[in-house]
Amino acid sequence: GQNIDQPTEMTATEGAIVQINCTYQTSGFNGLFWYQQHAGEAPTFLSYNVLDGLEEKGRFSSFLSRSKGYSYLLLKELQMKDSASYLCAVGGLDNNNDMRFGAGTRLTVKP
Amino acid sequence: DGGITQSPKYLFRKEGQNVTLSCEQNLNHDAMYWYRQDPGQGLRLIYYSQIVNDFQKGDIAEGYSVSREKKESFPLTVTSAQKNPTAFYLCASSIRGVDEQFFGPGTRLTVL
Repeated sequence: GQNIDQPTEMTATEGAIVQINCTYQTSGFNGLFWYQQHAGEAPTFLSYNVLDGLEEKGRFSSFLSRSKGYSYLLLKELQMKDSASYLCAVGGLDNNNDMRFGAGTRLTVKP
Repeated sequence: DGGITQSPKYLFRKEGQNVTLSCEQNLNHDAMYWYRQDPGQGLRLIYYSQIVNDFQKGDIAEGYSVSREKKESFPLTVTSAQKNPTAFYLCASSIRGVDEQFFGPGTRLTVL
C-alpha cells in the first residue's frame, strides 16, 4: 500500500519545540523527504533521510526508522514564520521510481 | 539563474475546453513531475517522467495528458474529460528519480 499518514493540524507556541510524525506503509522505499509549504506557495525542501537515524540541520531535524515505517520532523525554537504546512513524502513506494506525498500537517505558531 | 518556471500563474478556462500548462527547467534534471493540489490537501501525482520521450501515470492521470519531447520541458494538458479541473497545479524536477524535488511557482487553474 501507499498510505502516508500525518496529523492534519498542530498548534504550538513561539520558542517551543514541536514534533510532526509521519507513518507510511510500503513494499519499496528509497528515501523520505520533508517539505515546507506556505499558503499559496510552492513546497520547499527541508530534509532527506534514507538511513535510520537523525539528520540535523539548524533548527530542523528529521528522524527515520525504516523497520517501523516512521519518521518525524522536529522544529526547535519555533518562530512565527514557521507557521506553514509540512509535507512528508516517500520515494520509491511499491518499487516505482516516483514520489508520493502525505496530505500535510498545518502548523500554527502562536505568540 | 537556474530554476523551474511555470506559466501562467493564473488561468481561467470555460468548461469543455482543453488547456495546456507550461513547465520549463534549466537545471539539467532528468526527472520531472506534475502534481495537483486541492485546498487544504496534499499533493497528488498526475504524471512523471524519468527521461525524454518516456513518462508514467501517477495516481490521478485520468483526464490529463503530457509529453516529454525535450529534457527541459514537460507540458501538461488538462482535457475536457477531467471532471473537476479547478485546482493548483505544481510542476517539479529532480536530478533523477527519488531525489530532492525543486518546484515551480504553480499555476492556479479555474474552470468556469
